[in-house]
Amino acid sequence: DAGVIQSPRHEVTEMGQEVTLRCKPISGHNSLFWYRQTMMRGLELLIYFNNNVPIDDSGMPEDRFSAKMPNASFSTLKIQPSEPRDSAVYFCASSNRDINTGELFFGEGSRLTVL
Amino acid sequence: AQSVTQLGSHVSVSEGALVLLRCNYSSSVPPYLFWYVQYPNQGLQLLLKYTSAATLVKGINGFEAEFKKSETSFHLTKPSAHMSDAAEYFCAVSPVTGGGNKLTFGTGTQLKVEL
Repeated sequence: DAGVIQSPRHEVTEMGQEVTLRCKPISGHNSLFWYRQTMMRGLELLIYFNNNVPIDDSGMPEDRFSAKMPNASFSTLKIQPSEPRDSAVYFCASSNRDINTGELFFGEGSRLTVL
Repeated sequence: AQSVTQLGSHVSVSEGALVLLRCNYSSSVPPYLFWYVQYPNQGLQLLLKYTSAATLVKGINGFEAEFKKSETSFHLTKPSAHMSDAAEYFCAVSPVTGGGNKLTFGTGTQLKVEL
């Protein structure tokens, strides 16, 4: 079975550029999460969706960050404009909230470097 | 708000020795608890989970954890470390109801296994 698929795996960009990270959750899952991982702050939940609807975006750092989930099989996380402090690994994870035992399935991450 | 604290950001053991990674949780009611493992350049994967059934939980790769309500702990153990266990380990907590599989992670413990 295909797991959570993220793209790109690596992105190097210059400050001020727009960055779009993509995620395809596991088929049949109805919850999707975006996490950011840095050495300084560890794993932070940015936003999560249930049935394509954003439920909690309190972790989104600022207005430069936005996330969408236009359908059950696709989500994007956009940073515009990007800044060096946005450099991190961004993980997408999905789950089936109807089971509600908390198991998240993670993608392999998108490593972002903003110069 | 729920949280977990992992004691020791780095743990080093000899191959064949006992592995003990500590996790304490903070929650007004017993939550669901998890251990995830992250190998280099990969996403997180579930090792084991406690969902209010048996307090001693067995997971993959010979790991187990015991939920102790009196100590608010969920420490991860493995009787005999193997070189392949070298990775970063994350404890996580989720509310039993209403959380929608939203996990809060600890800061992680890097496990090093030496010959």
